[in-house]
Amino acid sequence: NAGVTQTPKFRVLKTGQSMTLLCAQDMNHEYMYWYRQDPGMGLRLIHYSVGEGTTAKGEVPDGYNVSRLKKQNFLLGLESAAPSQTSVYFCASSYTNQGGELFFGEGSRLTVL
Amino acid sequence: GENVEQHPSTLSVQEGDSAVIKCTYSDSASNYFPWYKQELGKGPQLIIDIRSNVGEKKDQRIAVTLNKTAKHFSLHITETQPEDSAVYFCAASGLSGSARQLTFGSGTQLTVLP
Repeated sequence: NAGVTQTPKFRVLKTGQSMTLLCAQDMNHEYMYWYRQDPGMGLRLIHYSVGEGTTAKGEVPDGYNVSRLKKQNFLLGLESAAPSQTSVYFCASSYTNQGGELFFGEGSRLTVL
Repeated sequence: GENVEQHPSTLSVQEGDSAVIKCTYSDSASNYFPWYKQELGKGPQLIIDIRSNVGEKKDQRIAVTLNKTAKHFSLHITETQPEDSAVYFCAASGLSGSARQLTFGSGTQLTVLP
């Protein structure tokens, strides 16, 4: 059982370039999330989805877009990368959003030069 | 929205000693408080959680206490072992718009010294 898989694990971009992070889960979870983790700031929610075809903004959505075309996949896009988006990105999924365990991927480290 | 503060940011203890990490939250409507452990190079993993109708919960060497009146909750690890060394995050489930979302604390780097 793979759980939550993120690709790629590492990426270096130049300012202004675009890229997409892919998250896939095999637990049939309805809810999926994208977080960023920065030193001293914990995990901050970027966007989330409550089901296939739906997305919503989290705490820090600016500069990111997401799509949930299939229940098992949640994509995070950067249209024009900025150095401030250098971070470690985590995808997570859960069965419920009313107080239940989040299952995290292993993270994707993005550096924007 | 919810705001979660976590202290200390770093904590070193001798193997066998106890470790305590404290968090405060702002939203009195929050009702779910998990703790996650993140090992180096890995994603966070849930280690214990507590709901607002319970004051304390234990799981072997780990316990969590909740004081709803004061809006704070704590993680207690007894008989620490080197494998307890990791970053620990508290979180609180508050309302963000129409959805209940987790807000995380800033993390505590726990080092257990042999």
